[in-house]
Amino acid sequence: GESVGLHLPTLSVQEGDNSIINCAYSNSASDYFIWYKQESGKGPQFIIDIRSNMDKRQGQRVTVLLNKTVKHLSLQIAATQPGDSAVYFCAERKEAGSYQLTFGKGTKLSVIP
Amino acid sequence: KAGVTQTPRYLIKTRGQQVTLSCSPISGHRSVSWYQQTPGQGLQFLFEYFSETQRNKGNFPGRFSGRQFSNSRSEMNVSTLELGDSALYLCASSRQGATEAFFGQGTRLTVV
Repeated sequence: GESVGLHLPTLSVQEGDNSIINCAYSNSASDYFIWYKQESGKGPQFIIDIRSNMDKRQGQRVTVLLNKTVKHLSLQIAATQPGDSAVYFCAERKEAGSYQLTFGKGTKLSVIP
Repeated sequence: KAGVTQTPRYLIKTRGQQVTLSCSPISGHRSVSWYQQTPGQGLQFLFEYFSETQRNKGNFPGRFSGRQFSNSRSEMNVSTLELGDSALYLCASSRQGATEAFFGQGTRLTVV
C-alpha cells in the first residue's frame, strides 16, 4: 500500500560532521515531500520541503534530495550540532491543497559532543 | 504570534469512556489536521478540516470524530475508549496554500 518509511531507525554522528537521513517512499503521485524534526516532548517542527518536480532544495544548513527514479528522499544536515538531536520524519503530501500527510517511522539522530 | 494550542496536555481515562480534545490553531490559519502518534504505528493521519468542513479522513474507526468551528478551533472526540487509543494526539494548523503545517505540543491520552 501507500507508505513512507525510513531505512535506518537510529543515527549517531559527531558534532561538526554532516548527517544524512534517508527515506523511501512508494506513492509517486505525492506532490510534496517534507521533513519534520521532533524533539522530546514537542510536536513535529517543519524543516524543509521539496516539490515533486524538483530534485534538490537547500535551506539553512539543510539540503533535501529527491530521487524519483528509486523513490528515495534524503535530508542532509551540515555541521551537525547538539541541538540537532531529535527524531526526524519524512512525510509526503498526497495532493495539492491538502494537509493530509503520510509520515515515515522516524530516525533518531544523536549528536555526540 | 501564539502557536498551536492543544488542551489538555495530559489526560487519563478509563476504558469505555469518551474524551474530547481541543485545538486552537494559529491566528489566520483555517486548516486544521489531527494525527495520532504511538511508538508502534508512528504518526497517523486522523482527519483534516478546512472552513468547518472535513476534507479528508484517515483509516480510523467511527469512534473517532471531529469538528471545526467558525473561528477555526477544532475538537476531536473519541468514544468508547480502548486501551489501544492511548497515544499522543497532535493537531496541526496551516495557512491556505502553504505546505508548512505547524504542530501543537499534543495531548497525551492514557486509557486505563
